[in-house]
Amino acid sequence: DQQVKQNSPSLSVQEGRISILNCDYTNSMFDYFLWYKKYPAEGPTFLISISSIKDKNEDGRFTVFLNKSAKHLSLHIVPSQPGDSAVYFCAATYSGTASKLTFGTGTRLQVTL
Amino acid sequence: GAVVSQHPSRVICKSGTSVKIECRSLDFQATTMFWYRQFPKQSLMLMATSNEGSKATYEQGVEKDKFLINHASLTLSTLTVTSAHPEDSSFYICSAPKGGRGQFFGPGTRLTVL
Repeated sequence: DQQVKQNSPSLSVQEGRISILNCDYTNSMFDYFLWYKKYPAEGPTFLISISSIKDKNEDGRFTVFLNKSAKHLSLHIVPSQPGDSAVYFCAATYSGTASKLTFGTGTRLQVTL
Repeated sequence: GAVVSQHPSRVICKSGTSVKIECRSLDFQATTMFWYRQFPKQSLMLMATSNEGSKATYEQGVEKDKFLINHASLTLSTLTVTSAHPEDSSFYICSAPKGGRGQFFGPGTRLTVL
């Protein structure tokens, strides 16, 4: 049962444009969401997070939007840079799980010149 | 700099042998650490929660006798893959919470069982 889904396995965006990565979840108990960036053979690196009491969180070029009613979140990267090329995972957790994360399936972002 | 380290980064072993992977929190104490496994082109799957001073908590479908976890101190958790077989070949990653509700991940260990 995949509780966190990223339906787009890959995405290609031109440098300078906006990258939008999407994530859907099914467990309504999730109240904290995170985005991680991962390169091959490395551990994930934290990018940005959002609590369910908010609908938007911004950090530099990265913005995460949360739509609780739709159980959907998205990561916007603008402007996209070639160094952003990696696999992006969304993850979710809820209170009482000692920070246990449930990961999505990942989206491979390729930023082209 | 890295806040969670793993050792070794890569290991190749023969089928039937046991392999130990170490996970260390470098500048903070972690009473809880997590072990994940990632197969090629798949998501990170939580295997178990390592608890300092008590038994690990395993996720459904993970054999606790095969994947032995020991949280020996507040900065060290070890995962031992016992009697490894080719199907255990995977990328193993540990993580530790450090403030807030997120986690810091180690660089991962690539296990190849021949």
